[in-house]
Amino acid sequence: NAGVTQTPKFQVLKTGQSMTLQCAQDMNHNSMYWYRQDPGMGLRLIYYSASEGTTDKGEVPNGYNVSRLNKREFSLRLESAAPSQTSVYFCASSEGQTPAGYFGPGTRLTVT
Amino acid sequence: GENVEQHPSTLSVQEGDSAVIKCTYSDSASNYFPWYKQELGKGPQLIIDIRSNVGEKKDQRIAVTLNKTAKHFSLHITETQPEDSAVYFCAATLTGFQKLVFGTGTRLLVSP
Repeated sequence: NAGVTQTPKFQVLKTGQSMTLQCAQDMNHNSMYWYRQDPGMGLRLIYYSASEGTTDKGEVPNGYNVSRLNKREFSLRLESAAPSQTSVYFCASSEGQTPAGYFGPGTRLTVT
Repeated sequence: GENVEQHPSTLSVQEGDSAVIKCTYSDSASNYFPWYKQELGKGPQLIIDIRSNVGEKKDQRIAVTLNKTAKHFSLHITETQPEDSAVYFCAATLTGFQKLVFGTGTRLLVSP
């Protein structure tokens, strides 16, 4: 049981490049989330998916898109990366009344 | 929307001492308050949570208290150990609502 897995662990992009961050969970959870973590700002919700086939915006969705590919996988796409998107990105999943109960190990993204 | 403030930003204690981290929230409708521990290079881990129908919850050396009237909640760690050293985050939301709002974190250092 791997829990929540994320790939890649590290990524460096140039401004304007695109990339997709991958997330998968093996706990059969309905809900999945993408957060970003910046120094001194805690974690901020980018997008979430309450169930397969649905996605909704969080606190900071601009510049990102998401896809809930199936119940296990939830990807985050940066179409045209900007330096302001330099951050650590965390995927999370949960079931029931507890949002974001399980977090993945994170992806550290640097945009130059 | 909800706003969560967390204090202190850093806390240094001696092994065996107690540590207290405090959070205040702005939305009186919030009724679910989780706490996360984040070790260096890892994702946040849910360690304890409390719902507004109780005033206190304990799990071994950690406890959380909630004062709904004052809109604040606190994490208490007793008999601290070096392995308790980490960054701790509080959060708040409304049950069934997917958008957790996090505090900015407290770096706890426990010295042997």
